[in-house]
Amino acid sequence: GENVEQHPSTLSVQEGDSAVIKCTYSDSASNYFPWYKQELGKGPQLIIDIRSNVGEKKDQRIAVTLNKTAKHFSLHITETQPEDSAVYFCAASMVGAGGTSYGKLTFGQGTILTVHP
Amino acid sequence: SAVISQKPSRDICQRGTSLTIQCQVDSQVTMMFWYRQQPGQSLTLIATANQGSEATYESGFVIDKFPISRPNLTFSTLTVSNMSPEDSSIYLCSAKVGDTQYFGPGTRLTVL
Repeated sequence: GENVEQHPSTLSVQEGDSAVIKCTYSDSASNYFPWYKQELGKGPQLIIDIRSNVGEKKDQRIAVTLNKTAKHFSLHITETQPEDSAVYFCAASMVGAGGTSYGKLTFGQGTILTVHP
Repeated sequence: SAVISQKPSRDICQRGTSLTIQCQVDSQVTMMFWYRQQPGQSLTLIATANQGSEATYESGFVIDKFPISRPNLTFSTLTVSNMSPEDSSIYLCSAKVGDTQYFGPGTRLTVL
């Protein structure tokens, strides 16, 4: 089955700096890669996702890049703010054309991001 | 999108008892799941809740320990049976809309 490795496990940055979290996956059939943010005492919240037919996707200060050949994808957060402090999880699964979903999400181990004011 | 609510939000239970967690989604969804998140750990899939039929369990999880019901497209329950301290964890309900998977706020369970 799919295996997702996530690094680093902890990341500490100063406010305004950029933060990068990296994940690798093992199953070349995986084609959908979401990122979740989990704040203390809450459930994971989807912040951005990317499909394998796209190399990069941006949403304001957040971007995700995907390298299918190397089977890795990364989350980039620019101009970090203290409210970005949370645990971030990457995940991988397979989805079908037309929105049919048949794959289970496999999660990485998580990254604790701390943004210091 | 989907908004997911869970009850209870937290509970403290005695060893040997059972707890049923309820999950309600604000729209009809095709797929619902139950996850466990142990303190400081990632999410582990327990099972896929199938409407009107038995849930599909992942390796390491069995129906006798984690019975699941899903009577309709918006509601599911997970029971943690015959609890031990090792069952102390956060239990998360999840639902899929298209390709996107949403999570509830979780139920924090402590077993004494």
